[in-house]
Amino acid sequence: QVQLLESGGGVVQPGRSLRLSCAASGFTFRNYGMHWVRQAPGKGLEWVAIIWFDGSTEYYVDSVKGRFTISRDNSKNTLYLQMDNLRAEDTAIYYCARDRDSSYFIDYWGLGTLVTVSS
Amino acid sequence: QSALTQPRSVSGSPGQSVTISCTGTSSDVGHYNYVSWYQQHPGKAPKLMIYDVNERPSGVPDRFSGSKSGNVASLTISGLQAEDEAEYFCCSYAGSSYVFGTGTTVTVL
Repeated sequence: QVQLLESGGGVVQPGRSLRLSCAASGFTFRNYGMHWVRQAPGKGLEWVAIIWFDGSTEYYVDSVKGRFTISRDNSKNTLYLQMDNLRAEDTAIYYCARDRDSSYFIDYWGLGTLVTVSS
Repeated sequence: QSALTQPRSVSGSPGQSVTISCTGTSSDVGHYNYVSWYQQHPGKAPKLMIYDVNERPSGVPDRFSGSKSGNVASLTISGLQAEDEAEYFCCSYAGSSYVFGTGTTVTVL
């Protein structure tokens, strides 16, 4: 079955960097686009970024453009999110999620990893 | 990229129907038939309930249904059950990006 396991979260000071990873299994990773979605404590979901199945194209929400980079290693079945110049408002649970092939929605989610930006 | 607007909460008794609205714009909900809905129980990851406005993934009960009119999408839960108590989020494709709704808490009285 599809499994997505995020790691790399933690407490980090404002302005510092953090890299999240998402290990995928149970499906052919290289065939699917992948997303990062976040959820601030007690708040709603916010889409962060998407990367196409082959890594050729990336899109981001405006609030993270120029600070976050989504990437993937299809040989390792792993998705990444490099987060630089972190701000307090980036504090959230970050979910890795799979994009449904040939359509425009997320069909599977990971359990998330918590990122706390605080001095 | 403003969040889609949902009512903060809706409630109903077991067996009743509830409908959650999701209001977007002509750039997202009104432009694309790519609205999806997710159920989230506290402390859990979201679960896909509806995709492409009104399609149900296998395993999702048929008491869940979706629709859309103009810039407003809707999720209806018919025959409300105790396990349906959760937070629900809509999501729309917006051309190279995605936007989620503000979330609605469904309470089963």
